[in-house]
Amino acid sequence: QKEVEQNSGPLSVPEGAIASLNCTYSDRGSQSFFWYRQYSGKSPELIMFIYSNGDKEDGRFTAQLNKASQYVSLLIRDSQPSDSATYLCAVGLTGTASKLTFGTGTRLQVTL
Amino acid sequence: DVKVTQSSRYLVKRTGEKVFLECVQDMDHENMFWYRQDPGLGLRLIYFSYDVKMKEKGDIPEGYSVSREKKERFSLILESASTNQTSMYLCASSSGQGNGQYFGPGTRLTVT
Repeated sequence: QKEVEQNSGPLSVPEGAIASLNCTYSDRGSQSFFWYRQYSGKSPELIMFIYSNGDKEDGRFTAQLNKASQYVSLLIRDSQPSDSATYLCAVGLTGTASKLTFGTGTRLQVTL
Repeated sequence: DVKVTQSSRYLVKRTGEKVFLECVQDMDHENMFWYRQDPGLGLRLIYFSYDVKMKEKGDIPEGYSVSREKKERFSLILESASTNQTSMYLCASSSGQGNGQYFGPGTRLTVT
């Protein structure tokens, strides 16, 4: 059983719409949650992190965490073609030297 | 800004060669990681290090070794390269516990 699950996509949204990316994790001891963006041929880039239940907003990005449901999501408002990328969800346990478990990513396509 | 650099962007080696991949970070991070990324398999952790001269196996350490003689530098060694080690290799670093990892640009290794 995968520890961090994401729908591989592609998720296609029109420009200006809200893109909603979802991630579930299996380890209830998980304490830290991250979203990375990866453009084709490039390395992952950290864009959001969240540690507590609820929402965290940063510009057009909102991360949502529900530990009871073991669910993390990333909302991208006013989606732009430049947001087209693969989004990786990563989950960490405390006391593990920041070791993370990554999902396989969701490919987002923002269409004109 | 965190900067993680890797010695090569592209590398072509022959089967049986010994291969060295180097990673340097400039943010005094305690933790460093080596991953490989393959289509459909996501990021897989090879080795990580939480201190100088300290290392721990990740999920797929077979065929690899690592060296961390200085805090800023973490090397990945392929003792005898094989074609199934053709992949994108990504180095990352992080500080403390529960913090996000920052990735280098990656090395695309081809073993022929």
